[in-house]
Amino acid sequence: NAGVTQTPKFRILKIGQSMTLQCAQDMNHNYMYWYRQDPGMGLKLIYYSVGAGITDKGEVPNGYNVSRSTTEDFPLRLELAAPSQTSVYFCASSRTQGINNQPQHFGDGTRLSIL
Amino acid sequence: KNEVEQSPQNLTAQEGEFITINCSYSVGISALHWLQQHPGGGIVSLFMLSSGKKKHGRLIATINIQEKHSSLHITASHPRDSAVYICAVRSPGGADGLTFGKGTHLIIQP
Repeated sequence: NAGVTQTPKFRILKIGQSMTLQCAQDMNHNYMYWYRQDPGMGLKLIYYSVGAGITDKGEVPNGYNVSRSTTEDFPLRLELAAPSQTSVYFCASSRTQGINNQPQHFGDGTRLSIL
Repeated sequence: KNEVEQSPQNLTAQEGEFITINCSYSVGISALHWLQQHPGGGIVSLFMLSSGKKKHGRLIATINIQEKHSSLHITASHPRDSAVYICAVRSPGGADGLTFGKGTHLIIQP
């Protein structure tokens, strides 16, 4: 089972460059999330989506954009990379039914460095 | 906004010891998650609790809703249990993701 797949696993960007972090899930989950994890800090929510065509901001959305054109894919876009965006990014998904009682399934993460 | 606090931040123990990791949160929740993150970085869901107690193998998770507190216990700890254990909570309403603690870094020495 593939579950949640993130690509790339590692990336180094220069300041001002742009890139898209890819996330795909094959579990037909409506809910998808992007988190970032900084050293010594808890994961923080960047954006989330409750279904195709519907996205909303989380706690730390500045500098990022998302889209959700299909149930399977939830890409995260960095338009003008800044050193403060150096982090490990995790995508997650969960089922809709009984959302309060559904676990989140995480991808393996993308380690991004902005130099 | 919920504040999630974990203790201890770091824990080193000998193989076989009984381990307890604590989590407290500030406002009411619909569910609490315990997650495990291995050195390779992947995150795995261990438990999801809204009341009472759950057991899976050597792992036990409990929650006290009135006290806003949860504990994760590991019995007969083993070096392969070495990982970061993360507590996260879901607010009532649920769709907008989890709020995470900073994690407890556990090392089990042989």
